[in-house]
Amino acid sequence: RKEVEQDPGPFNVPEGATVAFNCTYSNSASQSFFWYRQDCRKEPKLLMSVYSSGNEDGRFTAQLNRASQYISLLIRDSKLSDSATYLCVVNMRSGNTPLVFGKGTRLSVIA
Amino acid sequence: NAGVTQTPKFQVLKTGQSMTLQCAQDMNHNSMYWYRQDPGMGLRLIYYSASEGTTDKGEVPNGYNVSRLNKREFSLRLESAAPSQTSVYFCASSEIQGTSYEQYFGPGTRLTVT
Repeated sequence: RKEVEQDPGPFNVPEGATVAFNCTYSNSASQSFFWYRQDCRKEPKLLMSVYSSGNEDGRFTAQLNRASQYISLLIRDSKLSDSATYLCVVNMRSGNTPLVFGKGTRLSVIA
Repeated sequence: NAGVTQTPKFQVLKTGQSMTLQCAQDMNHNSMYWYRQDPGMGLRLIYYSASEGTTDKGEVPNGYNVSRLNKREFSLRLESAAPSQTSVYFCASSEIQGTSYEQYFGPGTRLTVT
């Protein structure tokens, strides 16, 4: 089983749609979780951290299920500018240690 | 702040040539990383440096060497480039501040080995 697994997509959705991405991770001792966004031919950038209680930032909602080792990202009211690749990222050890990146899920929002 | 900078942005090498990719960060971070990104493979860690004076291998270290020159700078060297090293290379840095942890990436170096 790969350490961090994501559906690669692509997800093609119309503007205004709600879309959800899922991610599973293999190490039950993983400490912290993130979603990064990567635009075409650009570097990855942090979109949001994922907390145990779930968290929301505007149209974006992240959820963590430690029992199932599962992370999700929900995007409501999709915009054209949301088109990007979304990377599920896990810190499998405590401290300032390397992150493990999923391969990413590509989203295209269509007018 | 410039954040994380990388040079060069683009490079074409012939098989067997050597080169050094430069990375610098101005955020006073202790940890720095080198990744490569290939289509369908995602980001793979080559080497990292948890703090000045230390370096460790990542997932794909073969064919590469690194130097943590000082707290700001972390270079990646290809001694004898191979076509399999054609990739986009990203440098990153990070620091834990309270409960916050974020890895910041440079803009990348696109390397082609012919």
